[in-house]
Amino acid sequence: QKEVEQDPGPLSVPEGAIVSLNCTYSNSAFQYFMWYRQYSRKGPELLMYTYSSGNKEDGRFTAQVDKSSKYISLFIRDSQPSDSATYLCAMLSGGSYIPTFGRGTSLIVHP
Amino acid sequence: DVKVTQSSRYLVKRTGEKVFLECVQDMDHENMFWYRQDPGLGLRLIYFSYDVKMKEKGDIPEGYSVSREKKERFSLILESASTNQTSMYLCASSSPGGAQPQHFGDGTRLSIL
Repeated sequence: QKEVEQDPGPLSVPEGAIVSLNCTYSNSAFQYFMWYRQYSRKGPELLMYTYSSGNKEDGRFTAQVDKSSKYISLFIRDSQPSDSATYLCAMLSGGSYIPTFGRGTSLIVHP
Repeated sequence: DVKVTQSSRYLVKRTGEKVFLECVQDMDHENMFWYRQDPGLGLRLIYFSYDVKMKEKGDIPEGYSVSREKKERFSLILESASTNQTSMYLCASSSPGGAQPQHFGDGTRLSIL
């Protein structure tokens, strides 16, 4: 079992939909959680960085962490074609500086 | 904003060549990393460095070496390029201390013919 599981997709949604992207993990030492967006032929761009359980909102993006279930989510409201990208989750244990990455979910938002 | 700059976006080399990939960051970060990214395999860590002249092997160091002579610059070297090293190479940096997020460059798409 991989430490971080992420469905590769692709996930295809119409413009304006609410998107839910998810990762599960097995290592209970993970305390810090990140979401990256990666456009084709570009490097990953940090979208959200959260610590502990709960929600964090930034514009149309909400990151949610449920440590008891070892489950994190990224919600995108009012999705746009420009949101089409691969989304990677990443996790860190306290004191570590090498994250464990999911393999990414490909999202397609069609007009 | 953090800026991580990789010297080439696209590179084509021949088998057996020695290949240098350069990365520069402008945020005075201690930690720097080299990954390769392949379809279906995700990000795999090749080498990382937590200080000048320090280096540590990642998960797949074979066939690669690194150099960190200055804090802002981290170079990846393919000693004798092979076709199975055709990949997207990503450099990243992060602040000192633990649990800091990484910031990535735009990658170098390397093709070995």
